[in-house]
Amino acid sequence: KQEVTQIPAALSVPEGENLVLNCSFTDSAIYNLQWFRQDPGKGLTSLLLIQSSQREQTSGRLNASLDKSSGRSTLYIAASQPGDSATYLCAVSADRGSTLGRLYFGRGTQLTVWP
Amino acid sequence: NAGVTQTPKFRVLKTGQSMTLLCAQDMNHEYMYWYRQDPGMGLRLIHYSVGEGTTAKGEVPDGYNVSRLKKQNFLLGLESAAPSQTSVYFCASSQKGLLAGELFFGEGSRLTVL
Repeated sequence: KQEVTQIPAALSVPEGENLVLNCSFTDSAIYNLQWFRQDPGKGLTSLLLIQSSQREQTSGRLNASLDKSSGRSTLYIAASQPGDSATYLCAVSADRGSTLGRLYFGRGTQLTVWP
Repeated sequence: NAGVTQTPKFRVLKTGQSMTLLCAQDMNHEYMYWYRQDPGMGLRLIHYSVGEGTTAKGEVPDGYNVSRLKKQNFLLGLESAAPSQTSVYFCASSQKGLLAGELFFGEGSRLTVL
């Protein structure tokens, strides 16, 4: 069964820092990987979607990379701001057998950016 | 633009009671999903639908039923609620399915079963 791990579980940084969130998965047979943001008491918002054939995706201050063979993805946030404070989750989509298309979520990294 | 709307947002049930959670999306998406989110467990797929009139089991379907009578609505039912079903439930939808598409989530329904 696919397992998705996110490290660290929590991160607290001062405003302006560049930071990296890590996601690892045990089965490299994925179709795509998504990074989500979740604010307290809210649903998830999709940030970036990387297809398995891609190496990275960028959106504004966010950059996500994917190394499928090693089972790793990183989310890089440049020049962090207090408004970036949220929980960030990664999810991978399986591409084989009965689990085709199913998303497996990590438990998230809770980010706090203080002024 | 409403996106994905879930009702109710909060509900308290007693063990054995039944209830239905409603998910509505206005994006004409084909695919809809129900997840539950528990502390330390991450999100887990309960049931999903690949189009009007279809449903399929996800990772943790026991104790739940679903229906997709209209394309825009996906209902999640609990016939006899148990304390283990205390959770936050999220509905999501996508146009292209999980293999290609971005997922849009509702804001969640917090259910407590006493």
